[in-house]
Amino acid sequence: KAGVTQTPRYLIKTRGQQVTLSCSPISGHRSVSWYQQTPGQGLQFLFEYFSETQRNKGNFPGRFSGRQFSNSRSEMNVSTLELGDSALYLCASSLFPGLNTEAFFGQGTRLTVV
Amino acid sequence: QKEVEQDPGPLSVPEGAIVSLNCTYSNSAFQYFMWYRQYSRKGPELLMYTYSSGNKEDGRFTAQVDKSSKYISLFIRDSQPSDSATYLCAMSRGDNNNDMRFGAGTRLTVKP
Repeated sequence: KAGVTQTPRYLIKTRGQQVTLSCSPISGHRSVSWYQQTPGQGLQFLFEYFSETQRNKGNFPGRFSGRQFSNSRSEMNVSTLELGDSALYLCASSLFPGLNTEAFFGQGTRLTVV
Repeated sequence: QKEVEQDPGPLSVPEGAIVSLNCTYSNSAFQYFMWYRQYSRKGPELLMYTYSSGNKEDGRFTAQVDKSSKYISLFIRDSQPSDSATYLCAMSRGDNNNDMRFGAGTRLTVKP
């Protein structure tokens, strides 16, 4: 059974650009959550999607957005990139929302903003 | 004050030692308590979880939750070099959302 797949694995962008990251959940999983991991702040919740609807959102500016498609794949977008957006972006999938004890993470996309 | 506090370490122990990892938290609404292990350049993987207070054992790993003290622990017995990783505690309210709050993570090195 394939795990959570995130693409690309590594990305280098320039300040002011925008970026789109992709997450394919485990087959059958319908809930996808996104997290940002930095050395200073650790893992922070960005947002959660289920059935193509955003159900919950963390405390991040509106430059961070996401969506989910009918096949449960999810994308997140960061516009007007800032140096502080450099981080490992992780997505986690689960069968349903709230199943934190059954959430599986992908390997992440490491974004570097220069 | 952060919602979840975890000593980032680093923690270095000899092979075979008992390791104790801890987190404290401030939100009494947390009901689910998870421990994740994260190897370098990998995503976190769930080690074990506990619902509410109590102990849970899985092989060499034991998780303890004391909700009255808002304190959770992970013990690793007979530690192995392969246990070298960053250990993250995570918590959630369990109210039908996946908004987990994580500790900063403790970097553990087990020396042969």
